[in-house]
Amino acid sequence: AQTVTQSQPEMSVQEAETVTLSCTYDTSENNYYLFWYKQPPSRQMILVIRQEAYKQQNATENRFSVNFQKAAKSFSLKISDSQLGDTAMYFCAFGGGSNYKLTFGKGTLLTVNP
Amino acid sequence: EAGVAQSPRYKIIEKRQSVAFWCNPISGHATLYWYQQILGQGPKLLIQFQNNGVVDDSQLPKDRFSAERLKGVDSTLKIQPAKLEDSAVYLCASSPGGRETQYFGPGTRLLVL
Repeated sequence: AQTVTQSQPEMSVQEAETVTLSCTYDTSENNYYLFWYKQPPSRQMILVIRQEAYKQQNATENRFSVNFQKAAKSFSLKISDSQLGDTAMYFCAFGGGSNYKLTFGKGTLLTVNP
Repeated sequence: EAGVAQSPRYKIIEKRQSVAFWCNPISGHATLYWYQQILGQGPKLLIQFQNNGVVDDSQLPKDRFSAERLKGVDSTLKIQPAKLEDSAVYLCASSPGGRETQYFGPGTRLLVL
């Protein structure tokens, strides 16, 4: 069974600064996907970024980028130029297996301060 | 493009009562998921449908939970009878296929008293 660990329950950052959220996972599979989802206080889960395990290049979406270390089973999210609207719960998720089930971490609550 | 729709948004019931949630996925999405998100935790998959067939229901408490997806489109999740520990947000998600990104609805927040 896959497990996803987010070791930072809460983090805070000043507006315009950079912050990195950590995620590690455990799996015996070789082909899988990794995701970061954002859940603002309204609770609508939104995809932030997605990484295919077979791709060596780290995914990037505007201010969001990942550091994917396959051998270390690490998948961190970097948010540059943090904005107040980035305040949310961030979930790391692993997608794999025969039915591509998503396994989520417990989340990191990020607060961006003005 | 319309997103995943869920109703109701909030529901308060007493223990041992029954409750049903409804989900309408994004048009054309073959795969539909129901998740349970307890406060302070990440979502946990309850059941996954591919069209109108069940792909995974290994974590669905089948003695009290049931789900169906008629005609491979809308889905309903039912709890009967509800327990206090069922208090959670129930999220519906859909994806075009089994290995695609999942898109989530706003969720239904259930409180069992």
